[in-house]
Amino acid sequence: KNEVEQSPQNLTAQEGEFITINCSYSVGISALHWLQQHPGGGIVSLFMLSSGKKKHGRLIATINIQEKHSSLHITASHPRDSAVYICAVHPQVQAAGNKLTFGGGTRVLVKP
Amino acid sequence: GAGVSQSPRYKVTKRGQDVALRCDPISGHVSLYWYRQALGQGPEFLTYFNYEAQQDKSGLPNDRFSAERPEGSISTLTIQRTEQRDSAMYRCASSKFGATDTQYFGPGTRLTVL
Repeated sequence: KNEVEQSPQNLTAQEGEFITINCSYSVGISALHWLQQHPGGGIVSLFMLSSGKKKHGRLIATINIQEKHSSLHITASHPRDSAVYICAVHPQVQAAGNKLTFGGGTRVLVKP
Repeated sequence: GAGVSQSPRYKVTKRGQDVALRCDPISGHVSLYWYRQALGQGPEFLTYFNYEAQQDKSGLPNDRFSAERPEGSISTLTIQRTEQRDSAMYRCASSKFGATDTQYFGPGTRLTVL
């Protein structure tokens, strides 16, 4: 079992729909990152969070440390939101150093 | 520069050749990471530096892979005696300090080994 699991692997939505992507992890963490990989390949950091909730525009990220779970929500989705969304965690154990462990990504397609 | 840059953007090489991939991080960023990403998969950690010190190289697949960051800024990932299985996107990222800071990713180098 991977340390970081994302669901769903693929998601298709109609423009305007509310989208939720889930990330579950099996280790204690000090931070969780949500990344967006554009169709052209570039990777952009969306959020970094260690507790609670963060919002930026139409994107909302939440994390529940006790349940080892995070969600990324996209409100009023738009075709330009089509991308791969990647969850990555920074494990708490000292041996992890400064490296991130990545989920496999969720491919999102928003149709007009 | 404004962001992380990598060169070359594309590299095609023949099996057995050595390649050197360059990463120029955001100015002032202490931490620099190298990742490899196979098509359709998430990034895979290779190695990272704080300043010029290589803190962790546990993700390097074998001893054909090495990395350096001699002056704490530009980094080079070198793959010796390339093999077809080395074909992938190689990405560099930098952060102010550590993995609990936002990482800024470069555009990547697409390596194809024939």
